[in-house]
Amino acid sequence: GQQLNQSPQSMFIQEGEDVSMNCTSSSIFNTWLWYKQDPGEGPVLLIALYKAGELTSNGRLTAQFGITRKDSFLNISASIPSDVGIYFCAGHRGSARQLTFGSGTQLTVLP
Amino acid sequence: GAVVSQHPSWVICKSGTSVKIECRSLDFQATTMFWYRQFPKQSLMLMATSNEGSKATYEQGVEKDKFLINHASLTLSTLTVTSAHPEDSSFYICSARMDYNSPLHFGNGTRLTVT
Repeated sequence: GQQLNQSPQSMFIQEGEDVSMNCTSSSIFNTWLWYKQDPGEGPVLLIALYKAGELTSNGRLTAQFGITRKDSFLNISASIPSDVGIYFCAGHRGSARQLTFGSGTQLTVLP
Repeated sequence: GAVVSQHPSWVICKSGTSVKIECRSLDFQATTMFWYRQFPKQSLMLMATSNEGSKATYEQGVEKDKFLINHASLTLSTLTVTSAHPEDSSFYICSARMDYNSPLHFGNGTRLTVT
């Protein structure tokens, strides 16, 4: 299906730094989800957002559902080596049952 | 909760043979499951929506006769890659959710290699 615009495509950061990535769309989304995928495994749900303006945290992760319902961001604070992986945003549009995925952000944490 | 189990995690098969991949929701019932395909360094592409007790809904460009989907129960969906060819080699991932308002949870994926 149609992909969301996710950026950046890749990031190289030092351990301990904060990270920010975002997704945008020209369409309105009813749900925003953030997943992390490790090599050779399926995506694991990090945060789910259901209301415009919602700000939700999960440990060092914080995500927000944009007010316009067309964007979302994910922040990771004080990055650690195990944060390495690919992060995907995803969302539901309208009454669609299927999920639309972003293109992913490859995160590398340098020691 | 919301555990999705996928089996096998990897399979190697010869060209022309068929391969079946199972997706199970272990602690919840799922009337709908989804099958994705992922190429290296790319995002997940939806192949089809598996509906319990009815025919699957395939995305444009996905051959329904090649990728057979059966959703025989509320906890099991299977994807059969028929007459596999090397270009079918990929990472296949299933997902399921408890209800329309719940997020999708994914299986661990199946790495298919067709020689």
